[in-house]
Amino acid sequence: KAGVTQTPRYLIKTRGQQVTLSCSPISGHRSVSWYQQTPGQGLQFLFEYFSETQRNKGNFPGRFSGRQFSNSRSEMNVSTLELGDSALYLCASSAIAGGYEQYFGPGTRLTVT
Amino acid sequence: GENVEQHPSTLSVQEGDSAVIKCTYSDSASNYFPWYKQELGKGPQLIIDIRSNVGEKKDQRIAVTLNKTAKHFSLHITETQPEDSAVYYCAAVNAGNMLTFGGGTRLMVKP
Repeated sequence: KAGVTQTPRYLIKTRGQQVTLSCSPISGHRSVSWYQQTPGQGLQFLFEYFSETQRNKGNFPGRFSGRQFSNSRSEMNVSTLELGDSALYLCASSAIAGGYEQYFGPGTRLTVT
Repeated sequence: GENVEQHPSTLSVQEGDSAVIKCTYSDSASNYFPWYKQELGKGPQLIIDIRSNVGEKKDQRIAVTLNKTAKHFSLHITETQPEDSAVYYCAAVNAGNMLTFGGGTRLMVKP
């Protein structure tokens, strides 16, 4: 079974721009969660989607948004990028909603200059 | 919200020795406790997990114990090998069904 895939793997953007990251979950998994990983804040939960509905959202500003498609693929969008948005963005999929048995992709490394 | 604290932040052991990483959580309603291993350039890998109705779980050289009363859980790795070197994260799913991570432990196994 193929694992979680994320594209692109690396991105460099300028302050003020917006970015869209993509995640394809493990086949059959309907839950997709997004996390931000930084050296200072560690791993922080952004949001979870299950069957195209946002189930949960972490403590991030409204510039961070996401969506899930009928094939369970998910995208997250960050608008008006700030330097502090530089991070590794990780996607995790699960057959179960709610944070259980999550399997992570390799992440997208976003650098904002 | 949930708060997960993890200790130590770095751990160095000799190959063949055991390693223990400890975590505490704040939300008594938390019911699921996974452990992840993250190698350089990769995403976290789920290595073992335990639910709140179980006190201990073992999988070959790794084991996890849970003390619900004290709100702490631990990862034990026996007969460590150089390939066990990585950053390990504990986590907890709370009543709000959100996964909260500890700060991580960098484990170094010296050959």
